[in-house]
Amino acid sequence: DVVMTQTPPSLSVAIGQSVSISCKSSQSLVYSDGKTYLHWLLQSSGRSPKRLIYQVSNLDSGVPDRFSGTGSQKDFTLKISRVEAKDLGVYYCAQTTHFPNTFGAGTKLELK
Amino acid sequence: EVQLVESGGGLVQPGRSLKLSCAASGFTFSNYYMAWVRQAPKKGLEWVATISTSGSRTYYPDSVKGRFTISRDNAKSSLYLQMNSLKSEDTATYYCARHDWATPYWGQGVMVTVSS
Repeated sequence: DVVMTQTPPSLSVAIGQSVSISCKSSQSLVYSDGKTYLHWLLQSSGRSPKRLIYQVSNLDSGVPDRFSGTGSQKDFTLKISRVEAKDLGVYYCAQTTHFPNTFGAGTKLELK
Repeated sequence: EVQLVESGGGLVQPGRSLKLSCAASGFTFSNYYMAWVRQAPKKGLEWVATISTSGSRTYYPDSVKGRFTISRDNAKSSLYLQMNSLKSEDTATYYCARHDWATPYWGQGVMVTVSS
């Protein structure tokens, strides 16, 4: 199974600060079609998860460009510039390249 | 408006069965692979099952393989999860979702508690 190692487990930030979250996979996430099915999701308190970025770097509709995703193969990063209060919650990386699909353990973003 | 509404959760004894349903609307359900994801209390997300558009292919992690069965009825735009031989570690909120986790294709979740 593909293990998704997400760091740090938690981040304490001030509004307006920028942060980065790392996600490393135990295998390459490049699929046979050449695409990399690595996604980032945010789960705000008490809510269903919401996908922010798909296939490494593509922002979902309505997601502000303060969010960006980079990476390739086995090493990925989510960056949030100018953090706002509505960005708080738990961020997950997730891969759908391989079965079983797997998620990172999550990074909890909270206010300093 | 896209909506996915799960139902069928509740309290069940270990070893018993439960069937979850997910009613989809607002999109062409039959065009998409669909999935179930669960989240144990205070824990992270765990993929549970995926089904192809026609229902001919299904995928499971080892933790539920042989006990859980995902199915769909495209005519009713509905997704199902039959859960047999339930264990305490199956206690979680279960979400139905599009297989690529796209927003807004997530349900609100339904709680399943396995306890005697």
